[in-house]
Amino acid sequence: AQTVTQSQPEMSVQEAETVTLSCTYDTSESDYYLFWYKQPPSRQMILVIRQEAYKQQNATENRFSVNFQKAAKSFSLKISDSQLGDAAMYFCAYGVGGNKLVFGAGTILRVKS
Amino acid sequence: DTGVSQDPRHKITKRGQNVTFRCDPISEHNRLYWYRQTLGQGPEFLTYFQNEAQLEKSRLLSDRFSAERPKGSFSTLEIQRTEQGDSAMYLCASSSPAFPDTQYFGPGTRLTVL
Repeated sequence: AQTVTQSQPEMSVQEAETVTLSCTYDTSESDYYLFWYKQPPSRQMILVIRQEAYKQQNATENRFSVNFQKAAKSFSLKISDSQLGDAAMYFCAYGVGGNKLVFGAGTILRVKS
Repeated sequence: DTGVSQDPRHKITKRGQNVTFRCDPISEHNRLYWYRQTLGQGPEFLTYFQNEAQLEKSRLLSDRFSAERPKGSFSTLEIQRTEQGDSAMYLCASSSPAFPDTQYFGPGTRLTVL
């Protein structure tokens, strides 16, 4: 069974600094997708970034980028120039073939001004 | 393009009552998913549809839970004889034929069972 592990329950970052959130996963599939979702307090889940496993190039979306290490089954999220609005719970998720997503337990990100 | 919508946003019910939630996916999205999320945890998959066909159900979905998507558009999730353990956020997501792997989530329905 596929599993997703986020080993950092909580992280803090100073405004304008850079922070990296970790995620590892376990799968026997060769073609799959990985995602980072952001869930602000009492607000809905927002897609931050997606990575296709067959692509070696790391995905980027403005201040958000990933470090995808397929052999190590690692998928970390880097947030550059952190802003107060980045404070949220971040979930790493894994999916195959348009089926269900498997989520990690989440990392709470606090941004200090 | 409107996002995924869910109704109601909050539901408080007494143990033993039946409740029904509705989800309207993004227009033209053919896949629709239901997840349950408890406080401080990641969402857990319940079931999903491609058009009107229910393709997978989790073992979490006991006999008290039923989901439908009769015309391949909106979906309903019904919980019969609610229990306190059913208290959670129920999330709906949808994905398009072009990008079936990328799911977009609605705001959720928060259920509280007293």
